[in-house]
Amino acid sequence: ILNVEQSPQSLHVQEGDSTNFTCSFPSSNFYALHWYRWETAKSPEALFVMTLNGDEKKKGRISATLNTKEGYSYLYIKGSQPEDSATYLCASDEKLTFGTGTRLTIIP
Amino acid sequence: DSGVTQTPKHLITATGQRVTLRCSPRSGDLSVYWYQQSLDQGLQFLIQYYNGEERAKGNILERFSAQQFPDLHSELNLSSLELGDSALYFCASSVEAGLIYNEQFFGPGTRLTVL
Repeated sequence: ILNVEQSPQSLHVQEGDSTNFTCSFPSSNFYALHWYRWETAKSPEALFVMTLNGDEKKKGRISATLNTKEGYSYLYIKGSQPEDSATYLCASDEKLTFGTGTRLTIIP
Repeated sequence: DSGVTQTPKHLITATGQRVTLRCSPRSGDLSVYWYQQSLDQGLQFLIQYYNGEERAKGNILERFSAQQFPDLHSELNLSSLELGDSALYFCASSVEAGLIYNEQFFGPGTRLTVL
């Protein structure tokens, strides 16, 4: 992996269902991995900054895991709610390169 | 509300012109970061200042420059504007100096349109 990549590009999830998506990043020279939530017409909001392999962080119904050796992080949302609809961005490397995001839409 | 303020909210100008975007960080934050979000690209880091000094540089064009003043507010100057400079410009701030390790708080952005 040469760049920060996110998948899927977009996702529709039924309210109440749980979901997850992926951020892949270069595993060499790893520094930190950031997750942000970006709601339409608002500015990005920090969710997590993760630095250690095996790190798991949680904020309410949202959690994230980190595997620095294989270069990926998962973001999980449990029991999706309409307010979770947003674009989720991850960023990594020494220049804090951002992925293009996963656009999540929760269907009521 | 993150506590980071940016002015103006919208700016419309012509090619070849010069504009200045302004950012005030959260109270107590010493680092200011500038980002560009254009339609065809993701969020791109431009430059970081920490306590008045340039700290890290990203994909910032030579036509762009920034500075951070003693009161910690920052300005991003964009000159010889081109159509492709039309974008949403975000400012973010954090307490500490490290670009990579610190949670950043984003302002509402300035939408620049170059005609």
